[in-house]
Amino acid sequence: DVKVTQSSRYLVKRTGEKVFLECVQDMDHENMFWYRQDPGLGLRLIYFSYDVKMKEKGDIPEGYSVSREKKERFSLILESASTNQTSMYLCASTSWTPNTGELFFGEGSRLTVL
Amino acid sequence: EDQVTQSPEALRLQEGESSSLNCSYTVSGLRGLFWYRQDPGKGPEFLFTLYSAGEEKEKERLKATLTKKESFLHITAPKPEDSATYLCAVPSSGSARQLTFGSGTQLTVLP
Repeated sequence: DVKVTQSSRYLVKRTGEKVFLECVQDMDHENMFWYRQDPGLGLRLIYFSYDVKMKEKGDIPEGYSVSREKKERFSLILESASTNQTSMYLCASTSWTPNTGELFFGEGSRLTVL
Repeated sequence: EDQVTQSPEALRLQEGESSSLNCSYTVSGLRGLFWYRQDPGKGPEFLFTLYSAGEEKEKERLKATLTKKESFLHITAPKPEDSATYLCAVPSSGSARQLTFGSGTQLTVLP
């Protein structure tokens, strides 16, 4: 069974803390993504990576950075967490033949910033 | 700017009461439209890809159709286990590697 695993399901952090969200996939996919999901706003792309050490900004990269040192692992970093970063964070991966649209998602990490 | 709009935002049905969810989109050069199902507290799960107007795909009680401006997800004789949020998405005009998602329709099927 294909699997995308996010390291933490629930986190509570304080404003200004550094936060690491980790995602691991076991499908040998080249492409990995970080989304955030907020009520009424849908899924918004933060960053994605199409190869090791490669990254591209999505629609809302401000306040976030990413790291992809190994093919199977994609980390999202909040350098200094703020309350407006309270959200559900979803990691996804795909082998992405053109137009397949099939992303495999993890179960999500719900972050609360106090 | 790419836009994906889903309606209604929420839908409550009685078990067995068929209905349709709508996904309308504005994107340059459609390269596919995708439907996902998301259960509470979980990540979305892929359902269908539609590539061209007139295309239909079916899975159990779900049938997805596509026109030039919108897609419908028809639910026939739904069961409580069909309760979920249904999301549609299209590849972004700027990059085929990115998907633009709608905000979803939250479906509740009452027994």
